[in-house]
Amino acid sequence: QKEVEQNSGPLSVPEGAIASLNCTYSDRGSQSFFWYRQYSGKSPELIMFIYSNGDKEDGRFTAQLNKASQYVSLLIRDSQPSDSATYLCAVKVPGGYQKVTFGTGTKLQVIP
Amino acid sequence: EPEVTQTPSHQVTQMGQEVILRCVPISNHLYFYWYRQILGQKVEFLVSFYNNEISEKSEIFDDQFSVERPDGSNFTLKIRSTKLEDSAMYFCASSTGIGEKLFFGSGTQLSVL
Repeated sequence: QKEVEQNSGPLSVPEGAIASLNCTYSDRGSQSFFWYRQYSGKSPELIMFIYSNGDKEDGRFTAQLNKASQYVSLLIRDSQPSDSATYLCAVKVPGGYQKVTFGTGTKLQVIP
Repeated sequence: EPEVTQTPSHQVTQMGQEVILRCVPISNHLYFYWYRQILGQKVEFLVSFYNNEISEKSEIFDDQFSVERPDGSNFTLKIRSTKLEDSAMYFCASSTGIGEKLFFGSGTQLSVL
């Protein structure tokens, strides 16, 4: 079973719409959850992190975590063409381990 | 804003040659990492480094790989005898603590011919 799963997309949304990106993870003890944005040929850039169940909002971005369902999502409101990128879900494995495991990413296309 | 810097941005080498990828983590960060991303694939963990020693490594990080912090600022990844399948983008990252946000450098694109 994959540790972090994401739909590879592409997910196409019109400009101004809400983009909803989803991620599931396999290890129930996972503690820290991150969303990174990666433009083609560039490095991942952290846009959101969440540690507790519920919603966390930062500007146009909302991260949602449901540990019971092992599910984390990212909502992007008022999507802009500049939001077109691959969004990587990342999870810190439980225990004393330091590694963060990444999903394969969802490619988002915002259509002007 | 502080950032992680990596050099070189591109490295082309012949199979069997040794390469050293260099990184300068953010100065007050304590944990350093190397990740790699093969074209079209996911970002994969290679190794983490804390307190001047390897704290965790993946199955990818075999005997041909080594890391070093030769001074107070640089963090290097050495690949002793490169293989074709080592061709990838290598990212250095640093963080303030376990489970904290990773800050990535811009990457070194390694091409093994």
